[in-house]
Amino acid sequence: NAGVTQTPKFQVLKTGQSMTLQCAQDMNHEYMSWYRQDPGMGLRLIHYSVGAGITDQGEVPNGYNVSRSTTEDFPLRLLSAAPSQTSVYFCASSYVPRGSGANVLTFGAGSRLTVL
Amino acid sequence: DAKTTQPTSMDCAEGRAANLPCNHSTISGNEYVYWYRQIHSQGPQYIIHGLKNNETNEMASLIITEDRKSSTLILPHATLRDTAVYYCIVRASRGSARQLTFGSGTQLTVLP
Repeated sequence: NAGVTQTPKFQVLKTGQSMTLQCAQDMNHEYMSWYRQDPGMGLRLIHYSVGAGITDQGEVPNGYNVSRSTTEDFPLRLLSAAPSQTSVYFCASSYVPRGSGANVLTFGAGSRLTVL
Repeated sequence: DAKTTQPTSMDCAEGRAANLPCNHSTISGNEYVYWYRQIHSQGPQYIIHGLKNNETNEMASLIITEDRKSSTLILPHATLRDTAVYYCIVRASRGSARQLTFGSGTQLTVLP
């Protein structure tokens, strides 16, 4: 199992450019989510999905779009990049252990984005 | 969601137990306590979670007080590789409320 795979690992954009951060998981997890982490801060939830075809907004959704056409993939799109979107982005997938209501996340290695 | 309070930083000597506290005085009955850690620049790593009872796994133990208003993560024999930011998270168990919100965490430094 590769777990959660994020690409690219590093990206530099100019203001106004668009791009997609890719996230794929091979664990057949129902839930997937995107977080951003700014220097010295904790993670903030951008968007999440509870299954194929279902997405919802997190704490900081503005400027980002997501879709979930398959269980495995959950891409994050920046439509018009802004310097405020310079951050490290983490994708996570999760499952709920049988008999439990808990949500255990597995994270990718992160994608470091710089917007000039 | 219940708010959590953790110390900003802690030190621990290598080989000793590291005890990381977390206060969650407004926790409700259906909310789990989760602990994750993040080693510098890496993705966060799940450690342990619990609801009411104390829990133990190969990484750590989680002690939850009887009133559930606080908990302690215990790393029994800390090593230098345990230096990381540790996040205590409280979250409900149902539907979209399962999505986890991370705070600032505790920076644990294990000293040689």
